[in-house]
Amino acid sequence: AQKITQTQPGMFVQEKEAVTLDCTYDTSDPSYGLFWYKQPSSGEMIFLIYQGSYDQQNATEGRYSLNFQKARKSANLVISASQLGDSAMYFCAMREGLHTGGFKTIFGAGTRLFVKA
Amino acid sequence: GAGVSQSPSNKVTEKGKDVELRCDPISGHTALYWYRQSLGQGLEFLIYFQGNSAPDKSGLPSDRFSAERTGGSVSTLTIQRTQQEDSAVYLCASSRISSGGANEQFFGPGTRLTVL
Repeated sequence: AQKITQTQPGMFVQEKEAVTLDCTYDTSDPSYGLFWYKQPSSGEMIFLIYQGSYDQQNATEGRYSLNFQKARKSANLVISASQLGDSAMYFCAMREGLHTGGFKTIFGAGTRLFVKA
Repeated sequence: GAGVSQSPSNKVTEKGKDVELRCDPISGHTALYWYRQSLGQGLEFLIYFQGNSAPDKSGLPSDRFSAERTGGSVSTLTIQRTQQEDSAVYLCASSRISSGGANEQFFGPGTRLTVL
């Protein structure tokens, strides 16, 4: 079974508009962390935002926010005021077993975002 | 400070040959990870090292793959008797370990392996 599911292979958004990239996850572990990374065409992986399973509030980092719905097991990334430089692949990832020192991280298949001028 | 470095950046080899890929993590990062990314695909977890603990090798696809980390720093991923399906970008990442923190991973630029 897929642990991380990203159902949108590709997304288009108009510059300056907001976009939501979907991510659902599957775990029975109560202690886990969720991550979003960006991979531009140059290939480097860039950390964007993190949400811990026990965090009470949704994480925000500048134009990035994470819409964390624990009961639904979803962790969607919201990018506000899209810029041309946001065009990239976006990966959702999960690390389980935080309280037991687990650091194995599983990545989703990714969503390619295209920002139109 | 310096980021994660990987060498070589590109490696072309013939089927059946062995290859070694190197990763230099960020100084002070005790966790080190290896991933494989096939063209247009997501990241496939291979192995991670955390301090002096036994590595988690659960992602290694076959016994042709092995990795070691010497002195808690530099790591080498070895692929023996390479096959064409081993062609991919191999990414290394490192992270701090702190209680309650994100401990996000910092990635290297990758090694693009092509098996002819």
